[in-house]
Amino acid sequence: DTGVSQNPRHKITKRGQNVTFRCDPISEHNRLYWYRQTLGQGPEFLTYFQNEAQLEKSRLLSDRFSAERPKGSFSTLEIQRTEQGDSAMYLCASSTGQAVGNSPLHFGNGTRLTVT
Amino acid sequence: QKEVEQNSGPLSVPEGAIASLNCTYSDRGSQSFFWYRQYSGKSPELIMFIYSNGDKEDGRFTAQLNKASQYVSLLIRDSQPSDSATYLCAVSITGGYNKLIFGAGTRLAVHP
Repeated sequence: DTGVSQNPRHKITKRGQNVTFRCDPISEHNRLYWYRQTLGQGPEFLTYFQNEAQLEKSRLLSDRFSAERPKGSFSTLEIQRTEQGDSAMYLCASSTGQAVGNSPLHFGNGTRLTVT
Repeated sequence: QKEVEQNSGPLSVPEGAIASLNCTYSDRGSQSFFWYRQYSGKSPELIMFIYSNGDKEDGRFTAQLNKASQYVSLLIRDSQPSDSATYLCAVSITGGYNKLIFGAGTRLAVHP
């Protein structure tokens, strides 16, 4: 168990550019989540995958955001035409498909995005 | 009304004391409740979870749940300076595929 891995750790980009983040979940976990966290706030849910299917997408996720999880393994989160308001820590988490109480979310170290 | 509410703190306690962190939630159908600890600049790490009314103990940590009052708390006994962090309360909402809704967190400072 190597934990949830996210790359890159930090990304600085200019407004208007596109960025893509990658998440590798714990290998036996079939559920994968993306959250966004800004300073002083708790993580906000963005989207959720069960295997390769994207089952829920938050209203926070505008059309500029897209997430994929091909083959139910790693996932990517792309932000197009970045805006300064997109600056945040993007967290990926994974869990097993067991009952809620037995499958808590395990978070990766996050990708910190700064849009200048 | 926010779905999960926490006092932002900081909560300052002396080393060795009991720290009490509180959380209220709005969805009566919520099923499971989690406490995560987050050090500055790091990702959240799970401390414990609870889904039955009453107390659940794990080492120095005790989670307490009262579904009738929609209230969950975390007690940290014998607080240590290394416990200084932000504590996030998270709630698994009704029909939410394990989707967790987080509070904004309470910052705990344990001073020697």
